[in-house]
Amino acid sequence: GENVEQHPSTLSVQEGDSAVIKCTYSDSASNYFPWYKQELGKRPQLIIDIRSNVGEKKDQRIAVTLNKTAKHFSLHITETQPEDSAVYFCAAKRDQAGTALIFGKGTTLSVSS
Amino acid sequence: DTAVSQTPKYLVTQMGNDKSIKCEQNLGHDTMYWYKQDSKKFLKIMFSYNNKELIINETVPNRFSPKSPDKAHLNLHINSLELGDSAVYFCASSQPARGGEKLFFGSGTQLSVL
Repeated sequence: GENVEQHPSTLSVQEGDSAVIKCTYSDSASNYFPWYKQELGKRPQLIIDIRSNVGEKKDQRIAVTLNKTAKHFSLHITETQPEDSAVYFCAAKRDQAGTALIFGKGTTLSVSS
Repeated sequence: DTAVSQTPKYLVTQMGNDKSIKCEQNLGHDTMYWYKQDSKKFLKIMFSYNNKELIINETVPNRFSPKSPDKAHLNLHINSLELGDSAVYFCASSQPARGGEKLFFGSGTQLSVL
């Protein structure tokens, strides 16, 4: 089955700096890669996703890159703000019935002002 | 008009008791899930149902029994609760058949076993 590794487990940055979180996956058939943000005491919420036919996707201050050959994907947050502080999860899934999103172990991002 | 709602939000109980968590979605999705989030924040898939049929059953003790009376509801019953069952349980739904892989999560049920 799929296994997703995520690094780092914690990340502290100053407001305005960039933050990068990296994930690797094991199942070469996975083709959907979302990122979820979970604020303290809240539910995980999708912030951006990418499919395997695309190498990069950007939405304002966040971007995701995918290297299918290396089975790596990364989340980039630019111009970080205190409200970006949260736990971020990467995940991977096959586009196939009977499969579920498999999550990485999460990265706790702290943005200090 | 909450998309995925689960009850109760908090559940505090003694070891050995039996408890249930209910989940309902009004998004018209065919697929529903239960995820467990432990104290280290790890989100782990437990079960998935597609149109009332169990399609994913990860390595979960058989004290956990999901039930889906219809495709809008997925409940989780836990027998003989143990200390290690303490966690946040999230219900979620999606519509993979229409390319909608996005998971919509409920607000979670924080289960504390004393």
